[in-house]
Amino acid sequence: DQQVKQNSPSLSVQEGRISILNCDYTNSMFDYFLWYKKYPAEGPTFLISISSIKDKNEDGRFTVFLNKSAKHLSLHIVPSQPGDSAVYFCAASAPYNTDKLIFGTGTRLQVFP
Amino acid sequence: GAGVSQSPSNKVTEKGKDVELRCDPISGHTALYWYRQSLGQGLEFLIYFQGNSAPDKSGLPSDRFSAERTGGSVSTLTIQRTQQEDSAVYLCASSYQQGSTLFGYTFGSGTRLTVV
Repeated sequence: DQQVKQNSPSLSVQEGRISILNCDYTNSMFDYFLWYKKYPAEGPTFLISISSIKDKNEDGRFTVFLNKSAKHLSLHIVPSQPGDSAVYFCAASAPYNTDKLIFGTGTRLQVFP
Repeated sequence: GAGVSQSPSNKVTEKGKDVELRCDPISGHTALYWYRQSLGQGLEFLIYFQGNSAPDKSGLPSDRFSAERTGGSVSTLTIQRTQQEDSAVYLCASSYQQGSTLFGYTFGSGTRLTVV
């Protein structure tokens, strides 16, 4: 039972345009969400997070939006750069188990010139 | 060290053999996690150590899998009688304190295990 879903395995975006990566979850108890970025042969690195008390969090070119009623979050990258090409994982945690992250299957983003 | 160190980076083993994967977390991090990523799958939680508490082993897929954390630092994940479905990238992560999902984990580069 996949509690965190990333339904798009891949996304291709032109440099300078917006990249939108989507993530859906099924567990309404999740209250904290994170995005990780993974380059080949490297471990995932923390990118940005959002608490369920917010609906938006911004950090430079990266913005995460949370729609609790739809159990949906998205990561916007504006403007996209070739160095953003990587696999992006969303993850969630619940207040009863804050140390265990549940990860999605990932979306491979390719930013082309 | 400055980051989470995992060894070996790659391991090819014959079906039925035992393997040990090592993780050296960031100094001072009290929590240590093992995840694995199989081809086309997300990051699957395996086991979690926090300080001196009993580990959360709820993600271990079978009794062939076990893990230890010695002295609250280095951890070893052992897979006995490996099967082809064990082939995956095994990722270790550590974090500073309980509830530290607020700050994210720090992952190592992983061990790519191939069972032939």
